[in-house]
Amino acid sequence: DGGITQSPKYLFRKEGQNVTLSCEQNLNHDAMYWYRQDPGQGLRLIYYSQIVNDFQKGDIAEGYSVSREKKESFPLTVTSAQKNPTAFYLCASRSGDRTYGYTFGSGTRLTVV
Amino acid sequence: AQSVTQLGSHVSVSEGALVLLRCNYSSSVPPYLFWYVQYPNQGLQLLLKYTSAATLVKGINGFEAEFKKSETSFHLTKPSAHMSDAAEYFCAVSEGGTSYGKLTFGQGTILTVHP
Repeated sequence: DGGITQSPKYLFRKEGQNVTLSCEQNLNHDAMYWYRQDPGQGLRLIYYSQIVNDFQKGDIAEGYSVSREKKESFPLTVTSAQKNPTAFYLCASRSGDRTYGYTFGSGTRLTVV
Repeated sequence: AQSVTQLGSHVSVSEGALVLLRCNYSSSVPPYLFWYVQYPNQGLQLLLKYTSAATLVKGINGFEAEFKKSETSFHLTKPSAHMSDAAEYFCAVSEGGTSYGKLTFGQGTILTVHP
């Protein structure tokens, strides 16, 4: 079945470390997105990519980086510059037909220890 | 610019009662509108969508929503709540037309269902 796979489901990071969250889709979708979710704040867009080898900053890109070397993959790196990285991270994708909305992965919960 | 406002961050109903979750949007072009549901520690699942066809839209799990252009609203309803409906619900808007259009999400409404 087609879908989006995020891994790992739970991730613990020590202060000062970079960590990378994986997002893979087999839906043949062009666009992919990373959101951060904190209680009471809804979903905030970190980065998005509409095509391979191209991506744009969202509303809260500072302290994060991404790459889009393959259509299927859109990994997110949380760098040591992100001072408050503890959150739930969601990856999503969408086909060229905007009427279908987004398909979401099951999320990664990142905790700083 | 587009935006979404969900009125009420928490809604509590009794099992069997009407569910009403409110969503108002702002968009400079005809919008596409979506409702998503999220269970704890999971991703978002599409409940229903409005994409300029019928204004009354039916979705999964007995939910429906009505697009009212004059009120810029897209409220979500369900006639009779079940315990399994307890979750967080997000309204989202996407610009229509030819733009590639990102989704903009509301802040979410947590629905609690009491026995």
